[in-house]
Parts: sequence; structure tokens; C-alpha cells
Amino acid sequence: NAGVMQNPRHLVRRRGQEARLRCSPMKGHSHVYWYRQLPEEGLKFMVYLQKENIIDESGMPKERFSAEFPKEGPSILRIQQVVRGDSAAYFCASSPPAGTGEQYFGPGTRLTVT
Amino acid sequence: GQQVMQIPQYQHVQEGEDFTTYCNSSTTLSNIQWYKQRPGGHPVFLIQLVKSGEVKKQKRLTFQFGEAKKNSSLHITATQTTDVGTYFCAGSGFGNTGKLIFGQGTTLQVKP
Repeated sequence: NAGVMQNPRHLVRRRGQEARLRCSPMKGHSHVYWYRQLPEEGLKFMVYLQKENIIDESGMPKERFSAEFPKEGPSILRIQQVVRGDSAAYFCASSPPAGTGEQYFGPGTRLTVT
Repeated sequence: GQQVMQIPQYQHVQEGEDFTTYCNSSTTLSNIQWYKQRPGGHPVFLIQLVKSGEVKKQKRLTFQFGEAKKNSSLHITATQTTDVGTYFCAGSGFGNTGKLIFGQGTTLQVKP
């Protein structure tokens, strides 16, 4: 049973470009969470999605950031017009429908904005 | 806003010594979870505590959830070099969405 998959693992973008981060949850999991981690810091919640629905986006910056989890395919976190401050590790986690609470994290995407 | 504070930020111990990290929430939690992250790695789920006053053990690791469900601790007995990493507590129960609010983490270094 494959774990949570994220790609790319490393992404370099110039300021002003777009970054697209992908996450495939574990098989059978329908809940996806995105977190951002700055160096030497904890993880900050960004958004919680179920298939075709955004459940909680209280941690998402109001501008330039968006997320989706379509009926088919991976969840996508999209950052438009990236700035240096967007450089971070972005982790996706998934949990089953009738979750007991624990979340299973992917390996993360390390975004570097130059 | 909702906050989860964790101390200490760093801890250096000699192999064989004990280690404890503490977690405090600004609000009552539904449950608390603990994760471990190795350098360059991703968070790995260790345990979840749900009940007030709950204590759970995993080999050398002991996890406690406070009576008021606002604080928690992780204690490692007789540390080993394999215990190196950052330990995060994460609170759940904010708005019933399943999102986790993470503490800042405690980074453990173990000298052999």
C-alpha cells in the first residue's frame, strides 16, 4: 500500500512564476491537508479538502494561493507569482473517511524561490 | 487565535539520559497527537491521546494528556542515538475540521 505521494520533491522557481505542487493521498483516503514548514519551525496548517470540496482554508493566504482536490487525480496546491517568502517545505497529509485522527504525511515538496 | 506552545526548543542529552518535551494549548483540545520528524524527513505519526488524564506507553516513550486536556508531555527513558529528531505535538479539535495545530517542536540531539 503506497503511502502519500508528493511531487515534485524539489522545485525551484524564479520570483513571479507559478508553482504547482501535487499530492496523491494514500489509497482509500479521501481527506487531504496541506501544511507549510519554514526552516527550524513547526508546520502551519493551510487547507483541508475532501474530494471536490474545500472544507477549511483558514490557513491559506488570501492572495496567490489556491488548492483543489478534484474527483479524479491528485490534490493540487497552486502558488501564483511566487515571492522569496514562499520558500518552504510544503507537506501534504491524508486521512481516511472515518478517520481516527492520525494523519499520514507525504515526503514534502521543497520550494525554493530565487 | 488557537496556539499550541512547546518547550524546550532544543535539548542535547548524553546517550542513556532521559528526555521530556512539554506541550500547552491555549484552548481545550479534542485530542492531541505526537509526531517525529527526522532531519530532512517528514512528520511520522507516533500516537494520539483522547481522554483526560490518559497515559500511553510505547517501549521507552511515555505520553501523557493533562486532566484539563490542554497540556501534554512526551518522556523518553534512556535515550538512544536513534531517538534523534524533532518531536512535535499537534492539537486537534479546532472547529471540528480535523486540522492540526502544531507546536514549534523540540529538537533532540543525543551524544553517543
